[in-house]
Amino acid sequence: DVKVTQSSRYLVKRTGEKVFLECVQDMDHENMFWYRQDPGLGLRLIYFSYDVKMKEKGDIPEGYSVSREKKERFSLILESASTNQTSMYLCASSLRQGSPNTEAFFGQGTRLTVV
Amino acid sequence: LAKTTQPISMDSYEGQEVNITCSHNNIATNDYITWYQQFPSQGPRFIIQGYKTKVTNEVASLFIPADRKSSTLSLPRVSLSDTAVYYCLVGVRTGNQFYFGTGTSLTVIP
Repeated sequence: DVKVTQSSRYLVKRTGEKVFLECVQDMDHENMFWYRQDPGLGLRLIYFSYDVKMKEKGDIPEGYSVSREKKERFSLILESASTNQTSMYLCASSLRQGSPNTEAFFGQGTRLTVV
Repeated sequence: LAKTTQPISMDSYEGQEVNITCSHNNIATNDYITWYQQFPSQGPRFIIQGYKTKVTNEVASLFIPADRKSSTLSLPRVSLSDTAVYYCLVGVRTGNQFYFGTGTSLTVIP
């Protein structure tokens, strides 16, 4: 089975801190994604990466950056955490577009609280 | 990627068949239609994918009319454990992004 692992289930950080959310997948997928999920707003795409060192902005990239130095690892960085970044963060991975199976596999999520 | 429209929420009694319809009026020729299910405190998981007519697996059926401007996810004889949010996505195979939107929150009532 594909496994997408997020480093923490719960995090509490202070306003202004630099926060790293880590995600690792074990299926050699080319694509990796970061979403945030808030009540009433569904899942919103923050950033995605289709290859090592490649990244593209999603719907809501402001206040976030990402890093993909290795194929299996995709990190989301909050440069200076703010209270409006309190949310559930979900990482996902998938094969490249056009592959026979384009299913996205998700991690369990990280619930981040910024105080 | 084609925009999708789904009902925000639905209620159903246990044992009934549930149909959730998704509109995607500007679907492209190469676009596939994919549905995901998300339980509370978990990430979404793939349910079913189709291009046209009907697709069935052990979990659900997907009905797609000839014009492909809508699709219907059918869950047979739902149980309490089917309470979840269901997302319709279009264009997964033609773009790298997976845009989920707000989905349909299904509540199954005893």
